[in-house]
Amino acid sequence: AQSVTQLGSHVSVSEGALVLLRCNYSSSVPPYLFWYVQYPNQGLQLLLKYTSAATLVKGINGFEAEFKKSETSFHLTKPSAHMSDAAEYFCAVKGWRTPLVFGKGTRLSVIA
Amino acid sequence: ETGVTQTPRHLVMGMTNKKSLKCEQHLGHNAMYWYKQSAKKPLELMFVYNFKEQTENNSVPSRFSPECPNSSHLFLHLHTLQPEDSALYLCASSQEIAGGTYEQYFGPGTRLTVT
Repeated sequence: AQSVTQLGSHVSVSEGALVLLRCNYSSSVPPYLFWYVQYPNQGLQLLLKYTSAATLVKGINGFEAEFKKSETSFHLTKPSAHMSDAAEYFCAVKGWRTPLVFGKGTRLSVIA
Repeated sequence: ETGVTQTPRHLVMGMTNKKSLKCEQHLGHNAMYWYKQSAKKPLELMFVYNFKEQTENNSVPSRFSPECPNSSHLFLHLHTLQPEDSALYLCASSQEIAGGTYEQYFGPGTRLTVT
């Protein structure tokens, strides 16, 4: 069965600083991996996805994530945080014919 | 309308009421989902419909009853709920294909408060 661990329920960065949100997955088969963002009182919006093509995946709003099979990780990064990046971020894993499994989420705060 | 829509956006109901949540997807997808999002808990998958057939029911209490009349519409019928059922209910859709998968697209959710 797949599972996802997001390290840190809350991450705080200064505006303009690097954003790093950590995600480790467990999967018995090559996974599909996703990062979603949720702004207050809204649904989840897809940031990016890994589907076994390039290991470095670029998403919307300047975010990117790197799939590292040896580390079973799929960390999300952004070189320079903006105030509008403050939100909840969810990592998710899916195998073929298995449900999408979400991590518990990481709340990102951006300090001016 | 585009994407996935949900109505109502907010709902307050008593424990003896019966209400329904509605979800509609305008993406031509063949799978639809109900999730429950509570404070301090991970997203919980409740129901999955593939080609209008229910393929997953994650031990959800019978006071929640899903209905999928066609591939574009999904309902969640609610009756005799408990206060702990207060949460954000999210609907999602995706295009499932043999040998692969596409991402899920989410609606804005219905904020449910049970009094």
